[in-house]
Amino acid sequence: GQSLEQPSEVTAVEGAIVQINCTYQTSGFYGLSWYQQHDGGAPTFLSYNGLDGLEETGRFSSFLSRSDSYGYLLLQELQMKDSASYFCAPRGGTTDSWGKFQFGAGTQVVVTP
Amino acid sequence: NAGVTQTPKFRVLKTGQSMTLLCAQDMNHEYMYWYRQDPGMGLRLIHYSVGEGTTAKGEVPDGYNVSRLKKQNFLLGLESAAPSQTSVYFCASSYDYRGNEQFFGPGTRLTVL
Repeated sequence: GQSLEQPSEVTAVEGAIVQINCTYQTSGFYGLSWYQQHDGGAPTFLSYNGLDGLEETGRFSSFLSRSDSYGYLLLQELQMKDSASYFCAPRGGTTDSWGKFQFGAGTQVVVTP
Repeated sequence: NAGVTQTPKFRVLKTGQSMTLLCAQDMNHEYMYWYRQDPGMGLRLIHYSVGEGTTAKGEVPDGYNVSRLKKQNFLLGLESAAPSQTSVYFCASSYDYRGNEQFFGPGTRLTVL
């Protein structure tokens, strides 16, 4: 079957570091994407991990461990504008999983002054 | 480039009415998707298309139909709207068949009374 878990909410102060964990079970898995969505806005792509390890894009980094079916998004030097929902989205590559794109329920990150 | 655009932005329907949501993209992407997002939930795939003239069912297709007569356009139809279809609808497109990076439109907020 397929499953996906990420925390519902994380609160942190400006300048802090936040880690959003994502555990998944996806048939034909081949990679993990992350998206950001501000209230009332559209999701926007942040990063993709196709291989194990860390991918860094500015203040944001994403990590994947295929053997553990686990990934995380790391937000560093938090800014007020980082307050948003963050979705992990495992990608599957089989015919069966193609039509079953998964987006998690999202993690609401609240940044406080 | 406009990216992905959606028409209309807001709509209120009465139960039983029909309507069509239009999605257009100017990035020459082959793959297009329709999602719905309900409060506190992630994105759920309704239908998708892997190219002009082709469509397929996603996770929650019941009550919706789609058409992709032109590569740049993807239409979502509700033949007989129900209150359970009150949601925010997002269209997305991708250049890669795996959809690792999807580009989203601004969304359509639909209320069915």
